[in-house]
Amino acid sequence: QVQLQESGPGLVKPSETLSLTCTVSGGSISGHFWTWLRQPPGKGLEWIGYTHYSEDTRYNPSLESRVTLSLDTSTSLFSLKLTSVTAADTAVYYCARGAGNSNWPWDYWGQGALVTVSS
Amino acid sequence: EIVLTQSPATLSLSPGERVTLSCRASQGIRHYLAWFQQKSGQAPRLLIHDASNRATGIPARFSGSGYGTDFTLTISSLEPEDFAVYYCQQRDNWPLTFGGGTKVEIK
Repeated sequence: QVQLQESGPGLVKPSETLSLTCTVSGGSISGHFWTWLRQPPGKGLEWIGYTHYSEDTRYNPSLESRVTLSLDTSTSLFSLKLTSVTAADTAVYYCARGAGNSNWPWDYWGQGALVTVSS
Repeated sequence: EIVLTQSPATLSLSPGERVTLSCRASQGIRHYLAWFQQKSGQAPRLLIHDASNRATGIPARFSGSGYGTDFTLTISSLEPEDFAVYYCQQRDNWPLTFGGGTKVEIK
């Protein structure tokens, strides 16, 4: 059974870098596309971007200048870095797996990690 | 960017009722639409992809239809566990976008 688990600091100061990792267990990380999404408290969902071990990567243009996604196939970790954060980046961050050999749809999701941006 | 508009924002229904949720795209997205269910405090769960294909393990009471700009998610008979927020999402154009959601609540 594939399981995803997000982890990282729950509190980040404004202007600093938000870093989260997604630990993948029960399946291969190299055979799939991996996606990050986020959801501000009480609001809707936003797609951040995806990456694949082949280095096929795409970001949401609204975040592209600040976001980096990466995969470490040796440790089955999928990472998100978001620089220069503001209060608008406060959200629950989800990692998700692309079904089959595609970047969509997302068949497995992590439980989510709440990140608050505040001084 | 494609805008997805979901209606209504909230539905108040009783168990056993039939539910029809609407999602309209600002431009044609062919059949590249998914529906997700999200319960409070949980991650979204994939219900339907490619407009009408049920995801693995999804009960047959959930069905999707539509093409182009107008899409529908139908729940044939509401079960107590179906009270949740439902989101549509498109993948025909980048960036991928979601609708604002429809909350299905107990009447």
